[in-house]
Amino acid sequence: AAGVIQSPRHLIKEKRETATLKCYPIPRHDTVYWYQQGPGQDPQFLISFYEKMQSDKGSIPDRFSAQQFSDYHSELNMSSLELGDSALYFCASSLGVVTGTSNTEAFFGQGTRLTVV
Amino acid sequence: GNSVTQMEGPVTLSEEAFLTINCTYTATGYPSLFWYVQYPGEGLQLLLKATKADDKGSNKGFEATYRKETTSFHLEKGSVQVSDSAVYFCALHSNYQLIWGAGTKLIIKP
Repeated sequence: AAGVIQSPRHLIKEKRETATLKCYPIPRHDTVYWYQQGPGQDPQFLISFYEKMQSDKGSIPDRFSAQQFSDYHSELNMSSLELGDSALYFCASSLGVVTGTSNTEAFFGQGTRLTVV
Repeated sequence: GNSVTQMEGPVTLSEEAFLTINCTYTATGYPSLFWYVQYPGEGLQLLLKATKADDKGSNKGFEATYRKETTSFHLEKGSVQVSDSAVYFCALHSNYQLIWGAGTKLIIKP
């Protein structure tokens, strides 16, 4: 079965450069979530989109932006990169809104490991 | 607000030992509850889930029961293997977000 695809898998950037991470959700999934996981840390929610509209916003820095396109793939744009941005960035997708009584679950991609040097 | 608290690690056990990783949550309503596992160098994988009170999720010998009265979703396995060594995350789904516990690193020694 198709899974969530993230690209690239690994990325090395220098400080102050920009990076674009891409996420291709499972076909027919309409919700995408972005998470940042620092070394030894739990994943931190950055932002989510439902039906191409931002649905919720977490601890995403102002230097980062994201969007969901008409084909439901999403891109996370990161500018003025800092050493502290080095982390594993996960994308997840789900079908529909996740509510307390729904059976919806989120499926994760393998992540993009960003290293800022 | 919603939150998840799980036991701190690392948890170190011998092979074939019984495992319990505690997870409690605070949430409005009745969120779906999940355990995710992250093997070394890999991404997050859903291990098991439960969507309503008294549901039991199970997979690969792991089990967790959604206890509304104690707001808990403890992960258990009767006999762990070296291959179970990983970081385990308890999470709840609420309003477009996954709310995560801090993760518990499990180390199984042969």
